[in-house]
Amino acid sequence: NAGVTQTPKFQVLKTGQSMTLQCAQDMNHEYMSWYRQDPGMGLRLIHYSVGAGITDQGEVPNGYNVSRSTTEDFPLRLLSAAPSQTSVYFCASSPRRGDNRYGYTFGSGTRLTVV
Amino acid sequence: AQSVSQHNHHVILSEAASLELGCNYSYGGTVNLFWYVQYPGQHLQLFLKYFSGDPLVKGIKGFEAEFIKSKFSFNLRKPSVQWSDTAEYFCAVTTGRRALTFGSGTRLQVQP
Repeated sequence: NAGVTQTPKFQVLKTGQSMTLQCAQDMNHEYMSWYRQDPGMGLRLIHYSVGAGITDQGEVPNGYNVSRSTTEDFPLRLLSAAPSQTSVYFCASSPRRGDNRYGYTFGSGTRLTVV
Repeated sequence: AQSVSQHNHHVILSEAASLELGCNYSYGGTVNLFWYVQYPGQHLQLFLKYFSGDPLVKGIKGFEAEFIKSKFSFNLRKPSVQWSDTAEYFCAVTTGRRALTFGSGTRLQVQP
């Protein structure tokens, strides 16, 4: 089925470890973004990309890196995991920046625990 | 900067009760407004949206949302809730080219 695929669904990391959360979409969407969801705080934007080779910071970018080498993939890297990064991470996409006719398509999320 | 406030964090209702979830945003220009829903164990899904035109937006399962520009609000309503409406509801706003800004969410629990 077409959509946004996130892997893994669950992950436990030790403080200081690094890892990459994968996000792929097969809808030829130019715009992709990463949000983290924390209780009582809703979803906060980490990084976004308006196309291959172009990325920018969102509201809470510290501790995370992204790259966009292809239209399909938008991985999120945690360089040195900290307990404050325990959260549920969602990848979302839309056809183009500013094209909100259909809202965003969200992945199923990655639940990350840092101990 | 745009922001969204949802003042009801956790709402518990009995089936058949009426529902109104508040959403207020801060931005003085043209906005696109959304309600997303997250059912237990599922990912976020677009539920309702407003871009222009009739400020009363009707959605699925009897839900509706009303845009009141003078109050900077986009409240979600349903006259009679069902157990299957149990979910978390997020209001979101964008001013066109900016990323969606989400509210903190309202967890709705409907008791049978």
